[in-house]
Amino acid sequence: GESVGLHLPTLSVQEGDNSIINCAYSNSASDYFIWYKQESGKGPQFIIDIRSNMDKRQGQRVTVLLNKTVKHLSLQIAATQPGDSAVYFCAERNNAGGTSYGKLTFGQGTILTVHP
Amino acid sequence: EAQVTQNPRYLITVTGKKLTVTCSQNMNHEYMSWYRQDPGLGLRQIYYSMNVEVTDKGDVPEGYKVSRKEKRNFPLILESPSPNQTSLYFCASSFVGNGNQPQHFGDGTRLSIL
Repeated sequence: GESVGLHLPTLSVQEGDNSIINCAYSNSASDYFIWYKQESGKGPQFIIDIRSNMDKRQGQRVTVLLNKTVKHLSLQIAATQPGDSAVYFCAERNNAGGTSYGKLTFGQGTILTVHP
Repeated sequence: EAQVTQNPRYLITVTGKKLTVTCSQNMNHEYMSWYRQDPGLGLRQIYYSMNVEVTDKGDVPEGYKVSRKEKRNFPLILESPSPNQTSLYFCASSFVGNGNQPQHFGDGTRLSIL
């Protein structure tokens, strides 16, 4: 979920387990959502996205679920590997009125640690 | 290789000394954007550009300028840097398309303003 203050939420899992990372987004008018992975010393890397007219989308080992009723987004990672260890961010776009095409609002991130 | 390239990667400078961080992308993306990342505040958008000669403010534009004279380049300019602009900066780009295009990020520029 979202963090408060300087301490990011953390999730520790064993290699091979499934991971679920949650995100509560802020704007009910948001129409597009993205999950990013950020490794130390690197920029955010795109994982998967979903539009607001969908409630589920699957990629390779990842699934994003969108619950617009409660403004909740989750990222599921199957068979988590040590290389999945990183900070994961959700981002939402509110383009109501078509004036904010590029305006992404990011969550503060969740630290995922995968133990061998 | 498709990428967003930022330079410099690290810079330590002093208050008031103008600096420019360059950003270049080789994917023919129309859209480019600058973010800053601070502990506890996450990624915040500074400026973005929908295409050449089209720029707009993000959430935290104060103290920054940008220009988009060419499609591939989107420099971030700090005319008179101050210590509160010490941060990690990311440039990103994407196609405009139907509006649902993920942004691709550079590897960041760490600025320290003394």
